Amino acid sequence: DTAVSQTPKYLVTQMGNDKSIKCEQNLGHDTMYWYKQDSKKFLKIMFSYNNKELIINETVPNRFSPKSPDKAHLNLHINSLELGDSAVYFCASSQEAGGGGRTEAFFGQGTRLTVV
Amino acid sequence: AQSVTQPDIHITVSEGASLELRCNYSYGATPYLFWYVQSPGQGLQLLLKYFSGDTLVQGIKGFEAEFKRSQSSFNLRKPSVHWSDAAEYFCAVGRTGKLIFGQGTTLQVKP
Repeated sequence: DTAVSQTPKYLVTQMGNDKSIKCEQNLGHDTMYWYKQDSKKFLKIMFSYNNKELIINETVPNRFSPKSPDKAHLNLHINSLELGDSAVYFCASSQEAGGGGRTEAFFGQGTRLTVV
Repeated sequence: AQSVTQPDIHITVSEGASLELRCNYSYGATPYLFWYVQSPGQGLQLLLKYFSGDTLVQGIKGFEAEFKRSQSSFNLRKPSVHWSDAAEYFCAVGRTGKLIFGQGTTLQVKP
């Protein structure tokens, strides 16, 4: 039983396309996140949701739109993909909105997005 | 501003040797500190965390870390490295609802 699962694991697409990455957690956590890992392996938060409400939006371009249909799911839709969007995108979840605070975050396996 | 620095980009140790990975943080209040490990093609797995109390914390896979407030450090240690420890290691500060990561340290283990 995977705690935080993302699909797809790999995504190769052309510039200008629109794509989505799905994330589901079965831990019963209230908060979910999207992190981006760039080519230098630097990890940075993009968004976080608590009980389906957006609480962190870390200066991400409007082309990125997260959607949380329920607290177990957080999807990431990307419009008009650019070469610079190529990265590994990680979904994570934690028990509280502070996690990354007093509670640890559990990460998915990542989605490697390559824009050509 | 909050930040995390891992001074060593790449470290190579021999199998069986001891290991210390450095982490320095900048944060105004008492931080929540984490070490995560990322194996090739995998997600991040928590090794250990520090919130308060005993400054020496034990984690999984034989790792430990020591919080030193005076040095703003949270260094990760292991007395004897195994070949399977080769991976990317990330130190992170947690506060205000998110994790702030260091640049990561790549650990290579020589046979």
